[in-house]
Amino acid sequence: DQQVKQNSPSLSVQEGRISILNCDYTNSMFDYFLWYKKYPAEGPTFLISISSIKDKNEDGRFTVFLNKSAKHLSLHIVPSQPGDSAVYFCAAMDSNYQLIWGAGTKLIIKP
Amino acid sequence: EAGVAQSPRYKIIEKRQSVAFWCNPISGHATLYWYQQILGQGPKLLIQFQNNGVVDDSQLPKDRFSAERLKGVDSTLKIQPAKLEDSAVYLCASSPTSLAPLGGYTFGSGTRLTVV
Repeated sequence: DQQVKQNSPSLSVQEGRISILNCDYTNSMFDYFLWYKKYPAEGPTFLISISSIKDKNEDGRFTVFLNKSAKHLSLHIVPSQPGDSAVYFCAAMDSNYQLIWGAGTKLIIKP
Repeated sequence: EAGVAQSPRYKIIEKRQSVAFWCNPISGHATLYWYQQILGQGPKLLIQFQNNGVVDDSQLPKDRFSAERLKGVDSTLKIQPAKLEDSAVYLCASSPTSLAPLGGYTFGSGTRLTVV
């Protein structure tokens, strides 16, 4: 039973355009949501998070939107840069402070 | 600040053999996690330590997997005997406390295990 789903295994975006990565979840009790970025042969690195009491959090080129009624969140990257090419994981924190992870979306930024 | 160190980076073993992975967390981080990431999936928590005590090992296959963190610093994860389905990247992560992962854990680079 996947509680956190990233339905797009991969996404290709032109450099300079907006990248939108999506994530759906099933448990309405999740308190926080996080996005991680992972390059090949490296561990995931924290990117941005959002509390369930907010609907938007912005950090530079990265913005995360949360739609609680739809149980959906998205990560927007604008403008997209070649260094953004990586696998992006969505994760939700449960009441035990454990992270439940999605399967990841591979983002490819085309020059 | 030095990151989370893991070794080895890669390991290939035959099924039914044993293997051990090592992790050295960031200095001062009380909480240490071992994750298993199978190709095409997100990381799955195997075990969480708070200092040298186990907080959660509910998803650790205890018939073959074991982990310890004897002095509350370094940790080892062992698989004995290994199965083909254990092929994965094993990630170690640490955080200052178990209640403050909002800024994210810090992950090591992982150990890629291939069981043939």
